[in-house]
Amino acid sequence: GQNIDQPTEMTATEGAIVQINCTYQTSGFNGLFWYQQHAGEAPTFLSYNVLDGLEEKGRFSSFLSRSKGYSYLLLKELQMKDSASYLCAVTDSNYQLIWGAGTKLIIKP
Amino acid sequence: NAGVTQTPKFRILKIGQSMTLQCTQDMNHNYMYWYRQDPGMGLKLIYYSVGAGITDKGEVPNGYNVSRSTTEDFPLRLELAAPSQTSVYFCASSPPGDSSYEQYFGPGTRLTVT
Repeated sequence: GQNIDQPTEMTATEGAIVQINCTYQTSGFNGLFWYQQHAGEAPTFLSYNVLDGLEEKGRFSSFLSRSKGYSYLLLKELQMKDSASYLCAVTDSNYQLIWGAGTKLIIKP
Repeated sequence: NAGVTQTPKFRILKIGQSMTLQCTQDMNHNYMYWYRQDPGMGLKLIYYSVGAGITDKGEVPNGYNVSRSTTEDFPLRLELAAPSQTSVYFCASSPPGDSSYEQYFGPGTRLTVT
């Protein structure tokens, strides 16, 4: 079966750094996405990885290891507005997105 | 551009009723998708379309139907609503091409079936 695992919830302090992990087992791999979803809102795109390594975009970075079926999203200089759920999604061999349940990130002052 | 719009935002249905969730995008995207998201769960693909006149089932199509007569519109039909269909429904679209293109989401429809 296809499976994506993320921690259910994480807590971090404003100004700190947090790493959200994602492991996946899918039928094929054609890329991995990270989306941000604020409570009651739609998901919005954060990053895309298809090759191994780190992609940096401002305060957010995303890492991929295809051999390990593993990715992480790194958020630096945390702000209160970063409180949201972070969804990991993998494009499988049929080019369909398989979604993880999301990690709810709580930022404390 | 308005992006992806969905109506209604909220709806309460009685068991056995039917309704259509509307979705429109003005970005000329070929690909469109319908997802449902249950509390604490990931998005589940209901149906998708790669262009006008073409639709295909996703992971959880039972109890739903779709049509795609134009590039812009992708309505989702619920027949004989059941409590298990209580969920938040998101429509999304993306450009054609390789798998690297992000999906753009509408604001969602919150449906309760009682």
